[in-house]
Amino acid sequence: DAKTTQPPSMDCAEGRAANLPCNHSTISGNEYVYWYRQIHSQGPQYIIHGLKNNETNEMASLIITEDRKSSTLILPHATLRDTAVYYCIVCGFGNEKLTFGTGTRLTIIP
Amino acid sequence: DAGVIQSPRHEVTEMGQEVTLRCKPISGHNSLFWYRQTMMRGLELLIYFNNNVPIDDSGMPEDRFSAKMPNASFSTLKIQPSEPRDSAVYFCASSPDRSSYEQYFGPGTRLTVT
Repeated sequence: DAKTTQPPSMDCAEGRAANLPCNHSTISGNEYVYWYRQIHSQGPQYIIHGLKNNETNEMASLIITEDRKSSTLILPHATLRDTAVYYCIVCGFGNEKLTFGTGTRLTIIP
Repeated sequence: DAGVIQSPRHEVTEMGQEVTLRCKPISGHNSLFWYRQTMMRGLELLIYFNNNVPIDDSGMPEDRFSAKMPNASFSTLKIQPSEPRDSAVYFCASSPDRSSYEQYFGPGTRLTVT
């Protein structure tokens, strides 16, 4: 599976949009981008996934560049409860071996 | 739905003792995963099952670790004998099937081996 690179930490003001970047320059054509998050002392939680089109659900939006070498997870109106470690993962669809890197520790500032 | 259930939530044991961690996946899910999380190594996949059959155990650290899934609603991860370096949070996760994109994680078991 392709390797991902994320900033180790980010801050965002409460109520503002949080934009979390992820680089995956070695992604292959059949690999998806998945985002999970882990709130302190809890198990990881699925957020969203995509192949090449932008995706949106009730939690977040996922913007994937045209060349698919990077993506951005957007939390449109961050709340204190969004403080967590966010993981960007690349793997083939149906490949259940999710490889969690170090992620981005997002802190929402009141 | 109650979600993935793990027990115990906390386990403290002495080196050399046998430890058994338990997991009940979400009803109807066909795939089950065991992960381990430490500060040093992050979140690692240990083993996963599909339809109660182990598919990939390449992440199991050594022979002291074993996992079973006797039926669709129950799995165990056993460490025998335990060592201090096994101290970690162990997560169980399940997903509806092999092509599912979402894994549902349990609350984890925090294991401390002294």
